[in-house]
Amino acid sequence: TQLLEQSPQFLSIQEGENLTVYCNSSSVFSSLQWYRQEPGEGPVLLVTVVTGGEVKKLKRLTFQFGDARKDSSLHITAAQTGDTGLYLCAGGVNRDDKIIFGKGTRLHILP
Amino acid sequence: DAMVIQNPRYQVTQFGKPVTLSCSQTLNHNVMYWYQQKSSQAPKLLFHYYDKDFNNEADTPDNFQSRRPNTSFCFLDIRSPGLGDAAMYLCATSTRLWGYGYTFGSGTRLTVV
Repeated sequence: TQLLEQSPQFLSIQEGENLTVYCNSSSVFSSLQWYRQEPGEGPVLLVTVVTGGEVKKLKRLTFQFGDARKDSSLHITAAQTGDTGLYLCAGGVNRDDKIIFGKGTRLHILP
Repeated sequence: DAMVIQNPRYQVTQFGKPVTLSCSQTLNHNVMYWYQQKSSQAPKLLFHYYDKDFNNEADTPDNFQSRRPNTSFCFLDIRSPGLGDAAMYLCATSTRLWGYGYTFGSGTRLTVV
């Protein structure tokens, strides 16, 4: 069974601090996606990474796909209260495989 | 703006009383998915449609059914909701099956009383 393990489960930090959250698997994934889900809303796609070692930036968010395509990280610089939410990673082992989701990291940025 | 719209946002139903949740999309995507998400859990795939082809996940209870009358609309029917069916139900679309990134609706929060 392919699993995506996300860590930490919960993270609460002060506004202005930096943070990194992780998505790990024992399987090699063809691609990984990151979503942010705000309370009471559906997930919103932030980024898709497909190449081992790939780094993508979205304003203060930096996403990295591991060289072996088994893990990914999301780094947020100078967190803001608007970054609060559930961060989900999702991926498929092969291009035409069902996408599976991790349980997410619940991030709370304190003002 | 092109989007995925779910109605209603909040639904309260009685134990055992059939309920239907709806999803519409203006993206003209071929694939529509229904997910169930309970608190602190990953979204769980219930079923998907590729055009009119329906695919049920093996562990989706028989209590859950779906209809896709046309490209734009998809419905989730829960025939006899139990307390354990209380959850957020998410509809998502993609251009191709298991595509690189889904567009989700805002979800329907179902409460069973």
